Amino acid sequence: SQQGEEDPQALSIQEGENATMNCSYKTSINNLQWYRQNSGRGLVHLILIRSNEREKHSGRLRVTLDTSKKSSSLLITASRAADTASYFCAFQETSGSRLTFGEGTQLTVNP
Amino acid sequence: DAGITQSPRHKVTETGTPVTLRCHQTENHRYMYWYRQDPGHGLRLIHYSYGVKDTDKGEVSDGYSVSRSKTEDFLLTLESATSSQTSVYFCATHPGGGYEQYFGPGTRLTVT
Repeated sequence: SQQGEEDPQALSIQEGENATMNCSYKTSINNLQWYRQNSGRGLVHLILIRSNEREKHSGRLRVTLDTSKKSSSLLITASRAADTASYFCAFQETSGSRLTFGEGTQLTVNP
Repeated sequence: DAGITQSPRHKVTETGTPVTLRCHQTENHRYMYWYRQDPGHGLRLIHYSYGVKDTDKGEVSDGYSVSRSKTEDFLLTLESATSSQTSVYFCATHPGGGYEQYFGPGTRLTVT
C-alpha cells in the first residue's frame, strides 16, 4: 500500500488562529478520515469524508477532499490550547477495508 | 469509546524472548488490526483480521504472527523479539463498510 503524505510535519500557532493541515495520496479511495492523537494516547476519529463528497463540517473542523488532485485538507478554526495534538489522515482504498495512514502533523497551539 | 483494551500497557523484554500482546474488544466488530507507531513513520499495519481465524499480512509483518480464535480477542506475537521491534503497538477495530476505526490505548514495548 502507499502511505499518505501530510504537510506540514509540524505547525505552531497562537490560540484563536486557524490551523490547516494537508494530506495527499496516490490511489483510488472510498473515503478519507482524520484522526487526532494526544501525547501518549490512542488515536481518536475526528471526521470522515467519502469520495463523492467535497466538503464536510463538524464543529470547528472543516475537511475538504479533491479527488482529482488526490488531496485533502483539515481546517481547525479558532484554535485552542487543548487542540494541541498530532493529526493523522488515513484513507480507505476502494479495494478493501484497510486504512493507510499519513505520517501526521504535530500541532501546537500556544496560549 | 468502542471498548477496546490492550494488555499489557507497558512491557520491557530482552532480545530473543517471545512476547504476546493482547487486544480485547466488546463491540463485536468484524475487523481487527495491529499497527506499530514509530517516530517519522506514522502508523504502519502489521497484521489484520477479517473474521475469526481469518488473518492477513500488513506492510510490516516480518517477525510477527497473529491469532484470532474468537471475535473479541486478537493476539500479536513476537516469536523472538529484536530491538527493532521496540515501538508502540496499537490495536484497532472496525465494523466493516466505509466507517472509522476505533483504537485501543496502545502498548509500549521495549526490547533491550
